[in-house]
Amino acid sequence: DAGITQSPRHKVTETGTPVTLRCHQTENHRYMYWYRQDPGHGLRLIHYSYGVKDTDKGEVSDGYSVSRSKTEDFLLTLESATSSQTSVYFCAITQGQDQPQHFGDGTRLSIL
Amino acid sequence: TQLLEQSPQFLSIQEGENLTVYCNSSSVFSSLQWYRQEPGEGPVLLVTVVTGGEVKKLKRLTFQFGDARKDSSLHITAAQPGDTGLYLCAGFPRAGNNRKLIWGLGTSLAVNP
Repeated sequence: DAGITQSPRHKVTETGTPVTLRCHQTENHRYMYWYRQDPGHGLRLIHYSYGVKDTDKGEVSDGYSVSRSKTEDFLLTLESATSSQTSVYFCAITQGQDQPQHFGDGTRLSIL
Repeated sequence: TQLLEQSPQFLSIQEGENLTVYCNSSSVFSSLQWYRQEPGEGPVLLVTVVTGGEVKKLKRLTFQFGDARKDSSLHITAAQPGDTGLYLCAGFPRAGNNRKLIWGLGTSLAVNP
């Protein structure tokens, strides 16, 4: 792996609770991404960051927020989790634009 | 809008067979990438193709980028059970945001011993 750690790896929580997922990298890469992966939908981009405090929305950003206060950490927050947000969440990093992405091992999130 | 169409969606073959997976689009891509994902893990990059008509080989895997840079294929020779996994293509459209990859839905390959 390219020095990417996602935490937690598994989480079960209830509808309406806040949830924060963490992505930590040791590669000093500028770009970081959050995806969700669901059967029949593939990988869908939630938010991405192109630098500290610089973030932008992906195609499925509603209900999610992100923060990046340090190069190495990118946090994904579900302010009030819903059952439709049950999914596997992946963090990815890349050195620059037009570059391949390196992925973490994912967080399996279940919202009951 | 799904810009990258992968086919077939599912493939189950016997060890030793050959197979080809396709990744097609009506859009031109500046580059295309192929990843393999195993259960419980994130996708791992196999190869990047950049030049139209380019062919790259990775052991028993052969990757081709179409001349017009709108399509790509992955051919596996003499498939092994270790080739089992989800194969994903992804790319940066030439006329688009080069910070965001466009992903295909993947081809799920099962190679039976």
